[in-house]
Amino acid sequence: QKEVEQNSGPLSVPEGAIASLNCTYSDRGSQSFFWYRQYSGKSPELIMSIYSNGDKEDGRFTAQLNKASQYVSLLIRDSQPSDSATYLCAVNEFDTDKLIFGTGTRLQVFP
Amino acid sequence: ETGVTQTPRHLVMGMTNKKSLKCEQHLGHNAMYWYKQSAKKPLELMFVYNFKEQTENNSVPSRFSPECPNSSHLFLHLHTLQPEDSALYLCASSQDSSGGASADTQYFGPGTRLTVL
Repeated sequence: QKEVEQNSGPLSVPEGAIASLNCTYSDRGSQSFFWYRQYSGKSPELIMSIYSNGDKEDGRFTAQLNKASQYVSLLIRDSQPSDSATYLCAVNEFDTDKLIFGTGTRLQVFP
Repeated sequence: ETGVTQTPRHLVMGMTNKKSLKCEQHLGHNAMYWYKQSAKKPLELMFVYNFKEQTENNSVPSRFSPECPNSSHLFLHLHTLQPEDSALYLCASSQDSSGGASADTQYFGPGTRLTVL
């Protein structure tokens, strides 16, 4: 069974700081990587997707992928209290192409 | 709004009841999914339909029965559930491109919060 590992947190950061969320995965053949944000009681919402090694920036969010080390991270700059949520990492399984999700990291941004 | 709707949003049922969850996507996608999300556990894929054909079962108990009449609608029929089946049930859709190198982005509906008494 392929696995996606995330620290469950909570990760607490002050408003305005950089939040760094990490994810490791076991399937070396994975090609697609996603970060979803899930507010309490709500469904997951896509934040970023990344397919190539390196950084991908979208506004305050930067996804970083290192396939050799099998990790993907999400940086949130200028963190806001509204960023407080659980962040899910999802990785495709090479054999089946289905998404494998981590348990999520809970982020708390305090004023 | 992601273009994926689910009804009902909340459901309480007894162990002997029969109920159905409904999902509809307005995105023109051709793949639809059912996931189960329980507390402290990762999202669990239950069923996948590509072009209305079921391609993934994941050893889900037979008390869960999916139905996909067309590429826009997906149902999950429930009967004789157990209390441990209480969870958030999420529907998702994507523009499947099977055979490609990358998984297609999945968009989730709001979910149905199911409680089995």
